[in-house]
Amino acid sequence: GAVVSQHPSWVICKSGTSVKIECRSLDFQATTMFWYRQFPKQSLMLMATSNEGSKATYEQGVEKDKFLINHASLTLSTLTVTSAHPEDSSFYICSVASGGLSSYEQYFGPGTRLTVT
Amino acid sequence: AQSVTQPDIHITVSEGASLELRCNYSYGATPYLFWYVQSPGQGLQLLLKYFSGDTLVQGIKGFEAEFKRSQSSFNLRKPSVHWSDAAEYFCAVGGNNNDMRFGAGTRLTVKP
Repeated sequence: GAVVSQHPSWVICKSGTSVKIECRSLDFQATTMFWYRQFPKQSLMLMATSNEGSKATYEQGVEKDKFLINHASLTLSTLTVTSAHPEDSSFYICSVASGGLSSYEQYFGPGTRLTVT
Repeated sequence: AQSVTQPDIHITVSEGASLELRCNYSYGATPYLFWYVQSPGQGLQLLLKYFSGDTLVQGIKGFEAEFKRSQSSFNLRKPSVHWSDAAEYFCAVGGNNNDMRFGAGTRLTVKP
């Protein structure tokens, strides 16, 4: 399967600042990437679907102006949390949609732990 | 829209005992079903998946799962649990639009 990396693995920022998280597909050209958020002891919640070269599709209840997604190339998608607040503290995980016969499978990155103080 | 239910929030088993984690799904068409495992602070690792064909699916680390359409279930099993299996387990259902929905997860504790 595809190898997916995320950077940084953890970040601490002050309230009101912005944080950018990178998701890279290291060995696979990904036209579609997904961003999930996971609060402690909870499941993964899909935030948005990121499509290369076009605007991301956000799930209901996710503020697109707060969580900016850019998928500028087939190997990189970024999530920027703007004007972060403590309630944005969470574990953010990206995934890559595979292509071909197993196009229904996703490969996940290791996650980014965001703490907003 | 698809959804997944994992009825058990937390399960404790003794090392060497058998394990079954339950998963029920709701999906209007043929579902694509997955089981993932997550260790604390880590990403997700795919244990196994079902797309079509044989309803008994073998995965990594000795896990298997059985798809039962009549019961809308995809339960995960392992005949003998190891202490290293302690983790959070997520069942997920996907469709042909690359969308994927996760269950709430089941936390597995293994007693020595």
